[in-house]
Amino acid sequence: SYVLTQPPSVSVAPGRTATISCGGSNIGDKGVHWYQQKPGQAPVLVVFSDSDRPSGISERFSGSNSGDTATLTISHVEAGDEADYYCQVWDSNSVSVVFGGGTKLTVL
Amino acid sequence: QITLKESGPTLVKPTQTLTLTCTFSGFSLTTSGVGVGWIRQSPGKALEWLALIYWDDDKIYGPSLKDRLTITKDTSKNQVLLTMTNLQPVDTATYYCAHFFGDYNSARRFDYWGQGTLVTVSS
Repeated sequence: SYVLTQPPSVSVAPGRTATISCGGSNIGDKGVHWYQQKPGQAPVLVVFSDSDRPSGISERFSGSNSGDTATLTISHVEAGDEADYYCQVWDSNSVSVVFGGGTKLTVL
Repeated sequence: QITLKESGPTLVKPTQTLTLTCTFSGFSLTTSGVGVGWIRQSPGKALEWLALIYWDDDKIYGPSLKDRLTITKDTSKNQVLLTMTNLQPVDTATYYCAHFFGDYNSARRFDYWGQGTLVTVSS
């Protein structure tokens, strides 16, 4: 089955840029979606299809995807961005939804 | 406005069967490309996709639990049900239902989520 690998944690100072990676074999051939989950809340879609943003999501959230790595970038990080972030793809080989293990973003 | 809400028992005994209901509004599960999925999250753990049902009644199950799961829909009630058999303490988790969209592979994602319901498995 397809595996997505995320770093367990990322730390960033306020105002700086955070990058969260999501690794997978030839992930660049798939569409990657990113979810933000704050403590005690349901996940929220923040980036879909590699780099598109749903309505209402800040322009500070952006994404890219190439080769074996997809990346979520959060610019001008704020305290309110502190959350767990999950990447997700659709694996057509196994006909299944695949989530990464999640990355905890800490704002210093 | 799309909303989803999960309901069901909060406490289940080991070996029992769990049935969760997802009641939704703001979309129709007869629209091409639309689905509803179930995802769970054990305390402190990552998201785990469980099952998905499409507008055309196609059903897909996650590999780890597929032998224990059944997903069905009632379009007249705007509901999707998930049944899980032989519950064990390791099945203690928050269970989410979510609107699934994507008529081609690279677009398939969960774009609206319910608030989740915590199910505890304990004797």
